[in-house]
Amino acid sequence: EIVLTQSPGTLSLSPGERATLSCRASQYVRSGYLAWYQQKPGQAPRLLIYGASSRATGIPDRFSGSGSGTDFTLAISRLEPEDFAVYYCQYHYNSRAFGQGTKVEIK
Amino acid sequence: EVQLLESGGGLVQPGGSLRLSCAASGFTFRNYPMSWVRQAPGKGLEWVTAISEDASSTFHADSVKGRFTISRDNSKNTLYLQMSSLRVDDTAVYFCAKRDSSMGPFDQWGQGALVTVSS
Repeated sequence: EIVLTQSPGTLSLSPGERATLSCRASQYVRSGYLAWYQQKPGQAPRLLIYGASSRATGIPDRFSGSGSGTDFTLAISRLEPEDFAVYYCQYHYNSRAFGQGTKVEIK
Repeated sequence: EVQLLESGGGLVQPGGSLRLSCAASGFTFRNYPMSWVRQAPGKGLEWVTAISEDASSTFHADSVKGRFTISRDNSKNTLYLQMSSLRVDDTAVYFCAKRDSSMGPFDQWGQGALVTVSS
């Protein structure tokens, strides 16, 4: 079973800064099936990125995804106040594994 | 506008049963696979169970196998989760989620239903 490990656990940054989040898979995963979600307190997750690098409908272009094989990255170019949240990666091919999440908090 | 509205959550004693419902609207429900994902208090997301568009196939996480059953009624645009032999560690917010294809990501989520298992 594929295990996704996200790092760091918490990222403390200021608005306007760049955020880089990592998701590492325990074995090779197909890029077309790597997704990222954003979750704010008390809300449902929201799909941000699918296929490792494609933005979901309505997602601002400051969010970008990249990577292949076992290493994937979510980047937020300039943090807006509404971007402080928890982010999860997921491999949705023949498993539905989620990473444990990275919290992006205001420094 | 796509909407997924869960209901049926509440407090139940260990060993008890509960059924969650998820009413779907704004899309052709019968064309999409659906899942339940849960989140224990202060924890991350855990996929629980999935069902194909026509209900011919279902899948369950090992943690709920034999205790939880997913089903759907395409005539009522509703997804169900029957939970039995509930344990304290089943306490969580349960989200229903739509997939855009059989292997696709979860592109739409409900707001969640809280299930608390406690004596």
